[in-house]
Amino acid sequence: TQLLEQSPQFLSIQEGENLTVYCNSSSVFSSLQWYRQEPGEGPVLLVTVVTGGEVKKLKRLTFQFGDARKDSSLHITAAQTGDTGLYLCAGTNSGGYQKVTFGTGTKLQVIP
Amino acid sequence: DAGITQSPRHKVTETGTPVTLRCHQTENHRYMYWYRQDPGHGLRLIHYSYGVKDTDKGEVSDGYSVSRSKTEDFLLTLESATSSQTSVYFCAISGSSGANVLTFGAGSRLTVL
Repeated sequence: TQLLEQSPQFLSIQEGENLTVYCNSSSVFSSLQWYRQEPGEGPVLLVTVVTGGEVKKLKRLTFQFGDARKDSSLHITAAQTGDTGLYLCAGTNSGGYQKVTFGTGTKLQVIP
Repeated sequence: DAGITQSPRHKVTETGTPVTLRCHQTENHRYMYWYRQDPGHGLRLIHYSYGVKDTDKGEVSDGYSVSRSKTEDFLLTLESATSSQTSVYFCAISGSSGANVLTFGAGSRLTVL
């Protein structure tokens, strides 16, 4: 079983602060996704990264895929209360059916 | 979300009773998945389907079965519910190969007393 460990598990910060969430594995993934989930809803895709070393930006969110395609990070600049939610990374391994493994999640609370 | 619906959204049942959760999609996507979400465990794959009548087990499949007789419907059945199966269940769909992107339903909260 491939494991994706996320850190930190919980994060409570003031509005305007920066933060980074990490997603680590000993396995190589062909692609990695980041999702955000709000209470009572299903996860919603934020971004997909495919190439080792790839960096993608989505407004104040910056996503990076590790060179070896085993890890990823999500950096949020100047956090806003609307960023509050559960952030999940998910990896797909190539070579077969599309089984997606999810990380353990990081619960972010942004305080006004 | 648009294109994928789960039913029921909430269910309370007793230990030992059978339960079926339904996932319906209108996107004509090939892949469908059932996950359960529990505190401290994130999302764990129960079963998935890669086509009509084609299914396979995920990491936590014990106690669950699935069926897919039509492209649009993926059923998850708990033959004899146990309290350890109290959870929020999410259905997801995916239509593309390569980089895998999942679209999730809103979830079904199941409580087994």
